[in-house]
Amino acid sequence: KQEVTQIPAALSVPEGENLVLNCSFTDSAIYNLQWFRQDPGKGLTSLLLIQSSQREQTSGRLNASLDKSSGRSTLYIAASQPGDSATYLCAVRSGNTGKLIFGQGTTLQVKP
Amino acid sequence: DVKVTQSSRYLVKRTGEKVFLECVQDMDHENMFWYRQDPGLGLRLIYFSYDVKMKEKGDIPEGYSVSREKKERFSLILESASTNQTSMYLCATWVGGTQYFGPGTRLLVL
Repeated sequence: KQEVTQIPAALSVPEGENLVLNCSFTDSAIYNLQWFRQDPGKGLTSLLLIQSSQREQTSGRLNASLDKSSGRSTLYIAASQPGDSATYLCAVRSGNTGKLIFGQGTTLQVKP
Repeated sequence: DVKVTQSSRYLVKRTGEKVFLECVQDMDHENMFWYRQDPGLGLRLIYFSYDVKMKEKGDIPEGYSVSREKKERFSLILESASTNQTSMYLCATWVGGTQYFGPGTRLLVL
């Protein structure tokens, strides 16, 4: 059974710092991995989607990498800003139905 | 842009009531999902549907049912609400490999 783990559960950094969020999964047979952002009391916003054949994806200050063989993904945020404060979730898709298995998220606080 | 809307942002219901949560997507997508999100437990899949009148159980279907009579609308039904169903409910649709979420409904069952 696929399990997804995110470490750390919470992170607090000063503005301007580069940071890395970690995601690990137990079954390497995945279709893709997706990173989401969730603001308090809101729905999820998709940030990056990495297909199983890809190693990384970039969007602005965000870079996500995927190492399927070791069951790991990282989300790199460059030059963090207070507006980046949110919970970040990773999710893997293992089947062809679109069903996702989520990690529990990392709550990020960027202090001015 | 994919748009997913949910009928209510906040709901307060009494134990034993029948509760309907509505989700609408605007692009004729086939796959739709209902999750609940709880502190410490993360997002868990309740039900999903891959076409009209088609549904499959997710990881925690007990106490819930769903209805998909039209492609754009996917309803989650709590047959007899209980306090342990107090939660944040999130609907999503799946497009081009990406899931797009609605804003969520925070349900409180008293």
